[in-house]
Amino acid sequence: ETGVTQSPTHLIKTRGQQVTLRCSSQSGHNTVSWYQQALGQGPQFIFQYYREEENGRGNFPPRFSGLQFPNYSSELNVNALELDDSALYLCASSRRGGNHNEQFFGPGTRLTVL
Amino acid sequence: GENVEQHPSTLSVQEGDSAVIKCTYSDSASNYFPWYKQELGKGPQLIIDIRSNVGEKKDQRIAVTLNKTAKHFSLHITETQPEDSAVYFCAASRNRDDKIIFGKGTRLHILP
Repeated sequence: ETGVTQSPTHLIKTRGQQVTLRCSSQSGHNTVSWYQQALGQGPQFIFQYYREEENGRGNFPPRFSGLQFPNYSSELNVNALELDDSALYLCASSRRGGNHNEQFFGPGTRLTVL
Repeated sequence: GENVEQHPSTLSVQEGDSAVIKCTYSDSASNYFPWYKQELGKGPQLIIDIRSNVGEKKDQRIAVTLNKTAKHFSLHITETQPEDSAVYFCAASRNRDDKIIFGKGTRLHILP
């Protein structure tokens, strides 16, 4: 296990609703990245947070937003949910600026949009 | 744009034989190439990585090779075991803590 935790593990929402997913980073890590993994696909980068600010964003619309807190935990918020938002949402934590700065992934939150 | 292609999408090998997964990448600025193993219900787990200044790296039964000129890199698993059955992803990034571009994955089946 990596020490990265995510909640909830599973979630079912309907179209148009809003959802908040949470991630606790591994101890000593200061950076959190979020990825969307559709069924049968590789994870796709959504955005990264470092020092509580967005530090890079992938090709996702503004209704995907995030936060990072002083304890380096993070939230992913998705507004106006669409059917295509159904996926496994992964967060990964790392320590920016160190020698051992590889990213460690959590188990993910499975989101189903009906 | 940035892209990582991965082949094959499915691979079945007899237990004890070798498995090879191949990837190509498009971003010339990529310097870091991790490989992940994902088991059912879990997040991707880093199994080995290689930096662009190295052509080959080995860790027990797993080895990776990188040809930066051709933008190719490969994963080799020798003496495969049942617990090697999983989905494997190749990926590329500019740095270890930058965004990671993943391939679509290879589902590896180890046959008894």
